[in-house]
Amino acid sequence: EDQVTQSPEALRLQEGESSSLNCSYTVSGLRGLFWYRQDPGKGPEFLFTLYSAGEEKEKERLKATLTKKESFLHITAPKPEDSATYLCAVSDDYKLSFGAGTTVTVRA
Amino acid sequence: ETGVTQTPRHLVMGMTNKKSLKCEQHLGHNAMYWYKQSAKKPLELMFVYSLEERVENNSVPSRFSPECPNSSHLFLHLHTLQPEDSALYLCASSQVGYGAQHFGDGTRLSIL
Repeated sequence: EDQVTQSPEALRLQEGESSSLNCSYTVSGLRGLFWYRQDPGKGPEFLFTLYSAGEEKEKERLKATLTKKESFLHITAPKPEDSATYLCAVSDDYKLSFGAGTTVTVRA
Repeated sequence: ETGVTQTPRHLVMGMTNKKSLKCEQHLGHNAMYWYKQSAKKPLELMFVYSLEERVENNSVPSRFSPECPNSSHLFLHLHTLQPEDSALYLCASSQVGYGAQHFGDGTRLSIL
């Protein structure tokens, strides 16, 4: 059974203070690792898909990386609008298995 | 409209009521999903429809009944729910074989 563990559970940052979120996973045959952002009262918003170890994707202040056992979401110089819950999910077929998420709060 | 739209956004119902949740996708996808999201827990996959056929029923109680009349519409029929069924119910869609799923904003369900 696929397992996804995200850490930390919560992260409080000062504006401009860079940090990283971790997603460790166990899956029989990885077909993709996905990062989503979820704001309160909203559904998850798709950010990135990573398919193989060594792959990196970037979007504005976010950069996702992938190894054979974990993925990192780096937030560079965050702003208050980056405050959200970030979800990681893995797929070995048509299904996604999600972690519980990391809630990021960025203070001005 | 674009993306994935869910209605209603909020629903309060008694344990003996019958109601339905609706989901519509405008992305041209051919797979649709229902998830349950409870506080502090990972998203739980409930049902999967691929090319309008149900391919997954993730041990969901029979008080939840899905319906997928075509590739753009998905319903979740609810009856005789329990208080522990209070949660955010999310719909998603994707292309079969391409993993990225796109979500609606959910229906917040409260059972009295």
